[in-house]
Amino acid sequence: AQRVTQPEKLLSVFKGAPVELKCNYSYSGSPELFWYVQYSRQRLQLLLRHISRESIKGFTADLNKGETSFHLKKPFAQEEDSAMYYCALLRAGFQKLVFGTGTRLLVSP
Amino acid sequence: EAGVAQSPRYKIIEKRQSVAFWCNPISGHATLYWYQQILGQGPKLLIQFQNNGVVDDSQLPKDRFSAERLKGVDSTLKIQPAKLEDSAVYLCASSLVRAADTQYFGPGTRLTVL
Repeated sequence: AQRVTQPEKLLSVFKGAPVELKCNYSYSGSPELFWYVQYSRQRLQLLLRHISRESIKGFTADLNKGETSFHLKKPFAQEEDSAMYYCALLRAGFQKLVFGTGTRLLVSP
Repeated sequence: EAGVAQSPRYKIIEKRQSVAFWCNPISGHATLYWYQQILGQGPKLLIQFQNNGVVDDSQLPKDRFSAERLKGVDSTLKIQPAKLEDSAVYLCASSLVRAADTQYFGPGTRLTVL
C-alpha cells in the first residue's frame, strides 16, 4: 500500500531562515502530490499541488520521482507560516487521498 | 461561498453509547469525504461518496460505523457502539468531483469516548 512519511514532527526555525519540510512517499507509479496546511484555529486547506508547479505564499515543492520525495521549501520563513503541514498522495487511477502524519512548523521572531 | 458545515463541534460519550455526526458540503460539490484524525496522526479516509453512491469505504469499520448521504447532499456518520479508540476528530470534506480536486474541509467534530 502507498505510504507518506513526514519524518519530523516539529520543525522550529527563526524568522527569515530557510525552511524545508520533508515528505517521502512509497509508490512506484505516477502519483499526484499535495501539501495541505492547518493554521491555528483554522480549517485544513490546500496549500499547493505538484502538477500546478506554482509558488503559494512563497512556498514551492518539487516532485523528485528518483528519490520519491516532495519536500516543501521556503527561502525566508515568516511568523505567519507557523502551522501544521500535511503531505498527501493520490495514486494514479484511484480516488483516495493518503495523508502523512504532519509536521508542525514553528517560526520564532 | 459558504464552507463545509459540521455539527456538533464537540461530543463526549461513554463507551458503548452511540453518536452521530452531520455534514453539509459546499453547494454543487459531488464528492463528500469523512476522515478520522487521531491525535498525532494525519487524516485517514473512512468513506467517500460521489453524489449518493459510495466510492470507497475500505477503511470504515463496518461493524460499528455507518454513513449515508441522502439525496447526494448532506451526510451523517454514525458510530454504534463507540469504543475508547474511536476518540478522534472527525473531518468532513467536499470537492467538485475527484479526490484530486481541492478538498474543502469542515471544522471537524472532536469526539471523546470515556
